[in-house]
Amino acid sequence: DTEVTQTPKHLVMGMTNKKSLKCEQHMGHRAMYWYKQKAKKPPELMFVYSYEKLSINESVPSRFSPECPNSSLLNLHLHALQPEDSALYLCASSQDLEVNFYGYTFGSGTRLTVV
Amino acid sequence: TQLLEQSPQFLSIQEGENLTVYCNSSSVFSSLQWYRQEPGEGPVLLVTVVTGGEVKKLKRLTFQFGDARKDSSLHITAAQPGDTGLYLCAGGSGAQKLVFGQGTRLTINP
Repeated sequence: DTEVTQTPKHLVMGMTNKKSLKCEQHMGHRAMYWYKQKAKKPPELMFVYSYEKLSINESVPSRFSPECPNSSLLNLHLHALQPEDSALYLCASSQDLEVNFYGYTFGSGTRLTVV
Repeated sequence: TQLLEQSPQFLSIQEGENLTVYCNSSSVFSSLQWYRQEPGEGPVLLVTVVTGGEVKKLKRLTFQFGDARKDSSLHITAAQPGDTGLYLCAGGSGAQKLVFGQGTRLTINP
């Protein structure tokens, strides 16, 4: 299995809703990432997990809450989002933090619309 | 702050033509990666180059890493409509994450 699977593929939520994005990989990768991508822009790093521990938080607002229940799963909990948070949310994994050499395997993303 | 500048930002050419996309920085990177992203999908890693002057070929795609490891290029020969997409270069510097360029949006017209 060489894939990163993200669910759901599309999500529409109101500003008072609570929802979660899910990401799963079975490649034995030990580093997992959340990226946010706005239209016509490159991906922007949000969080990095290494060996199930939060390694980097790129000053992301607390309305985004990551969770890594085990080495194969990564969640992103969403609460009280704003319309400007609408974007494609990408999960990625890498063999380990030596991402320079191994690169990322990205999922297909969750297209989030906040109304 | 390390930055990667890609050029051109947009490129639209006819099927069968050749093209080159550039990725430049004033910083030295330990590696340069190229990704292709199609609409509604995540980026897919095409290649990683790690040695200054390195050239890698992937079918009709040729990737080069500059001698000083500050720049890279992607050359496509005889472009096909299936090459259409957003091409992203990404630099690694040992900081647990990659720096992405702004991307080149390539359209190949039949």
